[in-house]
Amino acid sequence: GAVVSQHPSWVICKSGTSVKIECRSLDFQATTMFWYRQFPKQSLMLMATSNEGSKATYEQGVEKDKFLINHASLTLSTLTVTSAHPEDSSFYICSAPIVRAEAFFGQGTRLTVV
Amino acid sequence: AQKITQTQPGMFVQEKEAVTLDCTYDTSDPSYGLFWYKQPSSGEMIFLIYQGSYDQQNATEGRYSLNFQKARKSANLVISASQLGDSAMYFCAMREGRYSSASKIIFGSGTRLSIRP
Repeated sequence: GAVVSQHPSWVICKSGTSVKIECRSLDFQATTMFWYRQFPKQSLMLMATSNEGSKATYEQGVEKDKFLINHASLTLSTLTVTSAHPEDSSFYICSAPIVRAEAFFGQGTRLTVV
Repeated sequence: AQKITQTQPGMFVQEKEAVTLDCTYDTSDPSYGLFWYKQPSSGEMIFLIYQGSYDQQNATEGRYSLNFQKARKSANLVISASQLGDSAMYFCAMREGRYSSASKIIFGSGTRLSIRP
């Protein structure tokens, strides 16, 4: 099956700094990637859809300037949390478009802002 | 309006027993797909099973089966002969519309399953 690699798996950063999370499709080309956020004991909430070669599509209520998404190539999508604050601490996970009947997820990134 | 509803926040089951995790959904699109994912404490999302809206038979994958009742808009996951390693969070999810590279998946609130030895 398709493999999606997400890096880093965990990160601790100081309040006010920016953090970049990478999501790579290893054995296929992805024109689209999805980014989710999951708070503890809650469900996955779709934040945005990254589109190769064009602007990302953000879900309602997600701050575009806060969560910068770039889809630089057919194998790489990045999410940058800018000027991070403790309330941004969460689990972020990307997924590749559905191939046949399955969506493939990265391993996830646990972000802690102190 | 919530599209995927999982009414069981948590469940405890004795090892080797079968367990059913409930999921109901809401959509007006005749074409859709339903998924179940398992999320252990590590956070990774493990795909379990898929059911397409036009599939005539209920999906099965090893110990997992999906009880698809289209008229009732329910897609319950059945795990037979539960094992200790089945303890995890389980999410029901849905894709609306025909598959495309832009197809989004939305998730239910999840059910935490705990298997007792």
